[in-house]
Amino acid sequence: GQQVMQIPQYQHVQEGEDFTTYCNSSTTLSNIQWYKQRPGGHPVFLIQLVKSGEVKKQKRLTFQFGEAKKNSSLHITATQTTDVGTYFCAGTLGYGQNFVFGPGTRLSVLP
Amino acid sequence: NAGVTQTPKFRILKIGQSMTLQCTQDMNHNYMYWYRQDPGMGLKLIYYSVGAGITDKGEVPNGYNVSRSTTEDFPLRLELAAPSQTSLYFCASSTQGGNTIYFGEGSWLTVV
Repeated sequence: GQQVMQIPQYQHVQEGEDFTTYCNSSTTLSNIQWYKQRPGGHPVFLIQLVKSGEVKKQKRLTFQFGEAKKNSSLHITATQTTDVGTYFCAGTLGYGQNFVFGPGTRLSVLP
Repeated sequence: NAGVTQTPKFRILKIGQSMTLQCTQDMNHNYMYWYRQDPGMGLKLIYYSVGAGITDKGEVPNGYNVSRSTTEDFPLRLELAAPSQTSLYFCASSTQGGNTIYFGEGSWLTVV
């Protein structure tokens, strides 16, 4: 079945450093979404990528969808303590299909 | 706008007991989901529903049952609780598959 992997599992950074998490799918995806879960909270939608090679930015966050639509990345520039949490990617094979979530990358930011 | 509401937030069960996690959404979403999240792990889909009267198994359905009698409600039933069902449970909804998923705040369940 479809598998979605993420690396790294954990990342500890000093405040102000950059951070990147990578998402890889065993199959070509129709689209991919990214979610953030704060400690003790619930996943919250960040963004959706649909097109091959697509790049989207949200302030300090840059999201990229690979050309083959099998991988994606989330890059945070100059991390802040408010960025702490677990970042999940979720991929779907097509319209109406359920998303498969990656295991997440847990980010810690040291002040 | 309440979004997705789950109850209870916390529950301790004894092995073999049964219980129902309640979930309701007020966004008129067709799709609803139940996920479980084990500590430090990702989200595993238990069951989902594409509309009232329709339910289907997800990745980890064993030990659970669901029903969808209305668009708003999607309760999750544990018939014979087992320690392996100790987890954080999220109910969620979306307009349809492949669209943004809105999560409830979660229900912590411990089986002892």
